[in-house]
Amino acid sequence: ELKVEQNPLFLSMQEGKNYTIYCNYSTTSDRLYWYRQDPGKSLESLFVLLSNGAVKQEGRLMASLDTKARLSTLHITAAVHDLSATYFCAVDTFAGVDNDMRFGAGTRLTVKP
Amino acid sequence: GAGVSQSPRYKVAKRGQDVALRCDPISGHVSLFWYQQALGQGPEFLTYFQNEAQLDKSGLPSDRFFAERPEGSVSTLKIQRTQQEDSAVYLCASSLDRLEKLFFGSGTQLSVL
Repeated sequence: ELKVEQNPLFLSMQEGKNYTIYCNYSTTSDRLYWYRQDPGKSLESLFVLLSNGAVKQEGRLMASLDTKARLSTLHITAAVHDLSATYFCAVDTFAGVDNDMRFGAGTRLTVKP
Repeated sequence: GAGVSQSPRYKVAKRGQDVALRCDPISGHVSLFWYQQALGQGPEFLTYFQNEAQLDKSGLPSDRFFAERPEGSVSTLKIQRTQQEDSAVYLCASSLDRLEKLFFGSGTQLSVL
C-alpha cells in the first residue's frame, strides 16, 4: 500500500527565513503534486512534478523530485506571512491495480513577523 | 462554470439519514476524484472516475458509500444510513486528464448528529 509521509507536520518560522518541507513516499511513482490549503478553504494546486530531477519554482516556493530516493522537497525562500497555510504533497499511483492519488498528512506552516 | 462546483456547501444529517452530495466538474474534464478530509488531516482517497467509468473505489469506507457519474460529467456521492464517523468535508476534484493537476471544489461539510 502506498504511504506518503510529510515532515515536519508543523512548522513555525520567522519572516525572511528559509526552510524545506519533505515528502517521502513508499512506492514507485513518477508523478508528485504539491497543494496549498488555507483554513476553511479548498486545495489549490501549486506544482506538478512528472519526472526524476524535475524542479519547478514559483515566487518563493521551489519544488523538486527525486524518484530514485522517493523524495520530494518544497523549499521556502525568504518566507513572508502570506505563505502561512497547510501544504500537502500527493503521489499518483495510476498504474496497475491502484488508481488513486494519495495525500500526505500536510505541513501546517505559520510565518511570523 | 469556471471551477468545480459542489453542493450543498453544508449538510447536517441525523444519524441514520441518507445523504447525496453533488459535484459538477469543470466541463471537459475526464478525471474525477472524491476525497474525504477530516479536521486537521490530509484528504483521504475515496474513489476515482475516468469519464463514466469508476476505475477505483477502493477508498470507500463501507458499502454505505456509493458514487456514480452516469454521463461522465456530474457525479454524486451517496452515503446511506449516515453515522457520526462520516462527519467530514467531502472534496471533489477534476482534471483534464490523469497527468494534469487537480482542480478542487470547495467541498461539502457533512455533520452527522
